[in-house]
Amino acid sequence: EAQVTQNPRYLITVTGKKLTVTCSQNMNHEYMSWYRQDPGLGLRQIYYSMNVEVTDKGDVPEGYKVSRKEKRNFPLILESPSPNQTSLYFCASRGRGRGETQYFGPGTRLLVL
Amino acid sequence: GESVGLHLPTLSVQEGDNSIINCAYSNSASDYFIWYKQESGKGPQFIIDIRSNMDKRQGQRVTVLLNKTVKHLSLQIAATQPGDSAVYFCAESISGNTGKLIFGQGTTLQVKP
Repeated sequence: EAQVTQNPRYLITVTGKKLTVTCSQNMNHEYMSWYRQDPGLGLRQIYYSMNVEVTDKGDVPEGYKVSRKEKRNFPLILESPSPNQTSLYFCASRGRGRGETQYFGPGTRLLVL
Repeated sequence: GESVGLHLPTLSVQEGDNSIINCAYSNSASDYFIWYKQESGKGPQFIIDIRSNMDKRQGQRVTVLLNKTVKHLSLQIAATQPGDSAVYFCAESISGNTGKLIFGQGTTLQVKP
């Protein structure tokens, strides 16, 4: 089954404690992205990657890091989480063509105390 | 600055009626537009897309209309069903940068039985 998986699905942490949210896709997609979703603000792109070792900033990259060492994985790293990073996070992937469907993961709900 | 916005935050329709969800965008460089549906507790799901060289595209029970003159996008859902109840997002892709998507804030569609 074609899918994007994220782990963990729910996470409660404290300010300053480094965390990683993993994302994996089994569709051999070139493009992967991370978004955060907040009430009244919709989905905002954090980082995206167009291929292995190619990443670029989205609209809200501050406080986040990503890496793309393998095609299937695109982890999101919060080196020093802060309460304003409490949000719902989605990973997404799609193939190279402009008409390719973007598939979203199930989401990771993060609470930073 | 660039933005993608929706005219109404909530739309309530009677089951069986047609629904129209609107979206305005401000970046004239955008040349690819997508509609997503997000059900409660799930990630966004692709519905339909349209390129800027088209005015209209039809899918199964859905139609997307693009008016580049006024930078307006709409999603029409025919014979709306209870299963159509969700939040709908439009997104735009900036020409020449296929990894970056900008989402609107979303419209909640409520279908009354």
